[in-house]
Amino acid sequence: NAGVTQTPKFQVLKTGQSMTLQCAQDMNHEYMSWYRQDPGMGLRLIHYSVGAGITDQGEVPNGYNVSRSTTEDFPLRLLSAAPSQTSVYFCASSYLRSSGANVLTFGAGSRLTVL
Amino acid sequence: SQQGEEDPQALSIQEGENATMNCSYKTSINNLQWYRQNSGRGLVHLILIRSNEREKHSGRLRVTLDTSKKSSSLLITASRAADTASYFCATVANQAGTALIFGKGTTLSVSS
Repeated sequence: NAGVTQTPKFQVLKTGQSMTLQCAQDMNHEYMSWYRQDPGMGLRLIHYSVGAGITDQGEVPNGYNVSRSTTEDFPLRLLSAAPSQTSVYFCASSYLRSSGANVLTFGAGSRLTVL
Repeated sequence: SQQGEEDPQALSIQEGENATMNCSYKTSINNLQWYRQNSGRGLVHLILIRSNEREKHSGRLRVTLDTSKKSSSLLITASRAADTASYFCATVANQAGTALIFGKGTTLSVSS
């Protein structure tokens, strides 16, 4: 199994450009989420989804859009990139176990630089 | 705001020594998880401890949880150079437990 696949691995944008970070999982997980990681800040939750057609905001949602049309895919869109969005982005998927635990499987990350 | 805060931010030890890192959180939890991140990679789940557990072991890992103090600790015994990584605690972001939020992490460096 591939697990969680993120593309692209690296991207350079100019301020104001738009782009989509792709995330796909092949584990039939219900839940998917996007995080950004900045030096000294740990991981911060951007958006998450509990199933197809259902998304919700995390800690830092401004400047990002998401949609979940299928169980497998959860793309993250930057409509007008800003230098403050320079970061490493991680996608994760999971399911709620019968014990109530929600254990995440992460992708390898996408490094975005906005000039 | 982030739920968990790890302490210390950075830790340097020699191979064979034990490494202890701590996590404090703010609200009630059902469980707390620890993840590891090797440089340039995604996070990997290490261990989960439920709110009704006080201690849990997995190989060289020992996790404790004190819900009265809203804190957890991760102990790695007999550290190896391969344990060099960042370690994060994670708790639920919402009541339904459908998303997690992470602390800022502890960066562990183990030298041989």
